[in-house]
Parts: sequence; C-alpha cells; structure tokens
Amino acid sequence: GENVEQHPSTLSVQEGDSAVIKCTYSDSASNYFPWYKQELGKRPQLIIDIRSNVGEKKDQRIAVTLNKTAKHFSLHITETQPEDSAVYFCAARVSGTYKYIFGTGTRLKVLA
Amino acid sequence: GAVVSQHPSRVICKSGTSVKIECRSLDFQATTMFWYRQFPKQSLMLMATSNEGSKATYEQGVEKDKFLINHASLTLSTLTVTSAHPEDSSFYICSASVEQGGNQPQHFGDGTRLSIL
Repeated sequence: GENVEQHPSTLSVQEGDSAVIKCTYSDSASNYFPWYKQELGKRPQLIIDIRSNVGEKKDQRIAVTLNKTAKHFSLHITETQPEDSAVYFCAARVSGTYKYIFGTGTRLKVLA
Repeated sequence: GAVVSQHPSRVICKSGTSVKIECRSLDFQATTMFWYRQFPKQSLMLMATSNEGSKATYEQGVEKDKFLINHASLTLSTLTVTSAHPEDSSFYICSASVEQGGNQPQHFGDGTRLSIL
C-alpha cells in the first residue's frame, strides 16, 4: 500500500539556524502534499502545502520543495525560533481519494 | 474559515462504556470527514473515512462494529467507541475538508482524549 517515510525523527537546532525535514512517498500518482505542525496535546495545524504542478512554495520563513521524479518533498524552516518547537508531520494524498497518509513525524526542538 | 469543532475534549469512563465523539464543520459543508487515532509520540493513523449519507469506509484492521461512524448531515459526523476497554484509550481526532475546487487541505478538530479505566 501507500507509504510515507519521514526523517529525521528528532531534530535539535540553535535559534536562528535552519531546519530541514524530508519525506518520501510511494504513490507516484499522489498530487498533493501538506505539512502540519502539532504542539503537545493540540490539533495538527496546516502550515504549508504544495501541489504536484509546482516544485517549490514559500511562505515567509517556511518553504516546501517537491521532486516528483524522486518522489520526495522537504520542509525548510529558516531563522528558527523557540516557538517553532513542535512535532511536524508530512502527508501525501492518496491518488483517487481524499485520504492522506501521514509520515511518522519529526520532533523539532529549537534551542534558545 | 474552515473551522472544525470536536467534542468532548476529554472523556474518562469505566470499561464497558460506549463513548460518542462529535465532529462538526462550523463554517463549511463537508461531504467527507476523517477519523484518526493517535497514540503518544506517534503519527496519525487513519481509522475511517466518513461519507455523508452513506456507510463509512474503514481502514484495514479497524473493526467497524467497534467504532461506529454516522455522518447524518453535511456538517456533523460522530464516532462511537462501543464497549470501550483500556486498550481503546487514545487521542481521537477528526478532520474535514472543503472538497470543491481540487486539492484542499484537511482541517482538524481539537481531538478527544479518551481514557478507559
């Protein structure tokens, strides 16, 4: 079945540094890839998404890149701040459905 | 926009009790809603897709008689955990999306933390 792998599982960076989280997916027909941020005990919140017809999307300090040939996409956070500390999940939409398959999550810790 | 409300936020009950969780889309209509289960420090695992006016579609390994889903209107889906036992304790989260217009993100409710004693 469809699968999404996410790395690393944990990531610690110094405040102001950049953080990169990578995901690979198995369904070559997937065409939508959202990223969610989840703080402890709270709902996942969409932070950025990308559709398969573009290779990169940026929103202030957050950017996502997509390589359809290699079937991987990455989240880039620049100038990290302590409030960026959370668990980040990538997801891929299953082709022909509205379902998502989520990655295993990355626990990001930004050290002040 | 795209607000999803989920209630209750926390349930503590005895083993054998059935528990109903509600998921509402407050400012949009959702023909499809999703129910996830999340164990501590783990990812979101899709349990089922809730379809308005028809039967839910369950993921492999999820017991449909254990987790009853009803999607009676375009703004409300309910998940009932029947005869709950301690192993059913988990964080349950629903989501919904505005599906018109192509790929749209899922928006999540606040989740329900279920603890079975």
